[in-house]
Amino acid sequence: AQSVTQLDSQVPVFEEAPVELRCNYSSSVSVYLFWYVQYPNQGLQLLLKYLSGSTLVESINGFEAEFNKSQTSFHLRKPSVHISDTAEYFCAVNPGGFKTIFGAGTRLFVKA
Amino acid sequence: NAGVTQTPKFQVLKTGQSMTLQCAQDMNHNSMYWYRQDPGMGLRLIYYSASEGTTDKGEVPNGYNVSRLNKREFSLRLESAAPSQTSVYFCASSKAQGGEKLFFGSGTQLSVL
Repeated sequence: AQSVTQLDSQVPVFEEAPVELRCNYSSSVSVYLFWYVQYPNQGLQLLLKYLSGSTLVESINGFEAEFNKSQTSFHLRKPSVHISDTAEYFCAVNPGGFKTIFGAGTRLFVKA
Repeated sequence: NAGVTQTPKFQVLKTGQSMTLQCAQDMNHNSMYWYRQDPGMGLRLIYYSASEGTTDKGEVPNGYNVSRLNKREFSLRLESAAPSQTSVYFCASSKAQGGEKLFFGSGTQLSVL
């Protein structure tokens, strides 16, 4: 069975500092990989996704994630965070069907 | 553009009561989903509907039923609510399976006393 492990439940960081949110998945087959973001009292929104091709994917707001097949990881990074990046971030995998599996989430808290 | 609309936003039930959560999407998506979100557990799939007229169990279907009323609407019913069903419920939709992104509603916060 697929599983997703987000290695940090909470990540506090100062504004303008870099951040990495870690995600590992277990799968014996090729998967699609996603990062979703949830702002307070809202539903989840797609941040970025990896389907195939280049292992580095970027979002429009400065986040990037790198697919590492040998380590089965899909870590999310941003070189300089803003207060507005405070949210919960979910890593997710889909092996090609209808069942997207989500990690437990990482709360990013950006401090001034 | 409304996207995915869920009602109600909040609900408090007593143990044993029943209720239906409503969900509608206006993006002409084929597939719809119900997830529950619990602290420290992420989102878990309850049921999904690959297309109009079909429904299938997800990871945690016990205690729930669903109806895909038409292409737009997908409802979730709790026949006899239990405190373990206290959670935040999210409806989502997608064009298709696999690599397609999920579009989420804003959630229903349900408390069962």
